[in-house]
Amino acid sequence: DVKVTQSSRYLVKRTGEKVFLECVQDMDHENMFWYRQDPGLGLRLIYFSYDVKMKEKGDIPEGYSVSREKKERFSLILESASTNQTSMYLCASSLKLGSSYNEQFFGPGTRLTVL
Amino acid sequence: AQSVTQPDIHITVSEGASLELRCNYSYGATPYLFWYVQSPGQGLQLLLKYFSGDTLVQGIKGFEAEFKRSQSSFNLRKPSVHWSDAAEYFCAVADRGSGAGSYQLTFGKGTKLSVIP
Repeated sequence: DVKVTQSSRYLVKRTGEKVFLECVQDMDHENMFWYRQDPGLGLRLIYFSYDVKMKEKGDIPEGYSVSREKKERFSLILESASTNQTSMYLCASSLKLGSSYNEQFFGPGTRLTVL
Repeated sequence: AQSVTQPDIHITVSEGASLELRCNYSYGATPYLFWYVQSPGQGLQLLLKYFSGDTLVQGIKGFEAEFKRSQSSFNLRKPSVHWSDAAEYFCAVADRGSGAGSYQLTFGKGTKLSVIP
C-alpha cells in the first residue's frame, strides 16, 4: 500500500515563527502536492513538485515556499506564520506517467494553529 | 479555468436509505473526474474516477457515479447507506499542469454526510 506520512498531526505555533511541515512518501512517486483545507472552501493547491528540486505554484502560494531535495520528501515552509494560515494541511503524491492521470494518495493531514 | 460545484453543503440521510451527492463541473475538454471521501481526522481516499468510456463507474464501498456530459454532472450514488459512510465527500476535476505528466486537481467545497441510525 502507498503510504504518505506527515510529520505532525497537530502543530501550534506563534505568529512570526518559521514553520516546517514535512511529508514523506514511500512509493517512489514523482509528483508531490501540498493542499490547504478550510471549512467551506474545500482543498486548495498551494504548491506541487513533479521532480526533485522542481516546484510549481498552485492556486494560493502566497506566504508559502517548498523544498524537494529528495524524491520521497516534500516540505512546506511558512517563512513567517500568520494567524490566517491556521488550517489543515494535506500532502499528496502520485506517479508521473506520460499521458495518463494517476491517483493522488493523501496523507492524514497536519492541523496547524497559529496563535 | 476548471471549476467544481457541490451544491449541497450538508446532507442527512437515514441508515439504509439511498444517497445521491451532486457534482457539477466546468471544464473545456473531456474531464477527468473523481470522488474522494474524507472520514473525520483522516486524509482523503479515492472512491472512484472517470476518464472515458462507460459513463457509469463503480467504486469502492458500494458507491457508483454517472458522468453526464450534457448536464456537466458527475453525481455520486449509493443504494443503501451505512452508518460508516458518514464523512465528507469531495468531487474533483483534473487538469494537466505545466509539468509533463503532472496533473492538478481542482476540488469542490465538499458535502458533509450525516447518517441517522
